[in-house]
Amino acid sequence: EIVLTQSPGTLSLSPGERATLSCRASQSVSSNYLAWYQQKPGQAPRLLIYDASSRATGIPDRFSGSGSGTDFTLTISRLEPEDFAVYYCQQCGSSPLTFGGGTKVEIK
Amino acid sequence: EVQLVESGGGLVQPGGSLRLSCAASGFTFSTYWMNWVRQAPGKGLEWVANIEQDGSEKNYVDSVKGRFTISRDNAKNSLYLQMNSLRAEDTAVYYCTGGSGWDSDYWGQGTLVTVSS
Repeated sequence: EIVLTQSPGTLSLSPGERATLSCRASQSVSSNYLAWYQQKPGQAPRLLIYDASSRATGIPDRFSGSGSGTDFTLTISRLEPEDFAVYYCQQCGSSPLTFGGGTKVEIK
Repeated sequence: EVQLVESGGGLVQPGGSLRLSCAASGFTFSTYWMNWVRQAPGKGLEWVANIEQDGSEKNYVDSVKGRFTISRDNAKNSLYLQMNSLRAEDTAVYYCTGGSGWDSDYWGQGTLVTVSS
């Protein structure tokens, strides 16, 4: 089973700032099948990024994903008020699929 | 508009059974992998199981193997999760999700399963 470690656990930033979220895998993610999701309180998660760097339909271009192998990054170039939420990475390359523990992006 | 609507959650005693259903609309259900993902209260996401488009391949997280069964009916655009021998640690919101690959493009709003005496 691939274990995903997200860091930091909490990121305190102001609107307009840049957010950099890390997801590290215990072994290489097959074909870089790494996804990122956003979850707001009381809501279901929403797919942001798939295959490490492809934006899902309707996702603003301030969200970008990068990385390969075991190290992946989600970057939010300029935080908007609606971006404060919890973000999860998920490896989708091998079963069992696994999620990271999440990074909470909160308003500073 | 894509919709995934889960049903069947509720309160069940330890050792009991429950069957979750998910009704899909707004996309070609039969061409999508489907998943169940759960989230315990105040905790992170945990993938539970997935099923291939024609139902021939199924995968499970170890903690539910032998207790849970995922299935689908493409004629009814529906996904199911039969949960037996339920434990307190199965208490969670269960989400139905679908994707063209193993990721989850679409999510339902979830149904709460509470296992307690």
